[in-house]
Amino acid sequence: DTAVSQTPKYLVTQMGNDKSIKCEQNLGHDTMYWYKQDSKKFLKIMFSYNNKELIINETVPNRFSPKSPDKAHLNLHINSLELGDSAVYFCASSQQGSYNSPLHFGNGTRLTVT
Amino acid sequence: AQSVTQLGSHVSVSEGALVLLRCNYSSSVPPYLFWYVQYPNQGLQLLLKYTTGATLVKGINGFEAEFKKSETSFHLTKPSAHMSDAAEYFCAVSEGSSYKLIFGSGTRLLVRP
Repeated sequence: DTAVSQTPKYLVTQMGNDKSIKCEQNLGHDTMYWYKQDSKKFLKIMFSYNNKELIINETVPNRFSPKSPDKAHLNLHINSLELGDSAVYFCASSQQGSYNSPLHFGNGTRLTVT
Repeated sequence: AQSVTQLGSHVSVSEGALVLLRCNYSSSVPPYLFWYVQYPNQGLQLLLKYTTGATLVKGINGFEAEFKKSETSFHLTKPSAHMSDAAEYFCAVSEGSSYKLIFGSGTRLLVRP
């Protein structure tokens, strides 16, 4: 059983389109995250939800909107896609926040905007 | 604010040689430190973590790291590299209770036969 699963694995789309990435975890964790990994492998946190409540919202354009229907799911919707949004997006989860327990990552969604 | 610096974006070793990946952190409070490994086209996996207690931490696949407060370092080592160790390695520091994990820029480990 996959602990943190993301769909789709690859996403190729044109500028201006709207797309969503879905994430589900079956670990029973309280906290979920979205990270962005750029072409130089640099990882930066975007959002974090704890028990469906937004607790971290980094300086991300408001075209990015996370949604957590329940604590096992955290989806990412992106409006009006731009070339600079091309990256690998990772979903992750942890119990009781990352300062106390490690993150479990999904395998990533490679987004290519043309 | 916490930050992490990984010296060397690429490290190349021969199979069987010592692996040393360097990580320095800055933190105004006692840090929680992590090493993660990323294999191609996969997510990150936890190798080991330091929270409190023993400063020498053992992880999976024969890796270990030592927390040195005086040097603000958390270097990752493995006595003998294996071809399967070739991957990207990330050091990370936790920002206390803010649920935020700050990652270093990563070090790609290449293992030569």
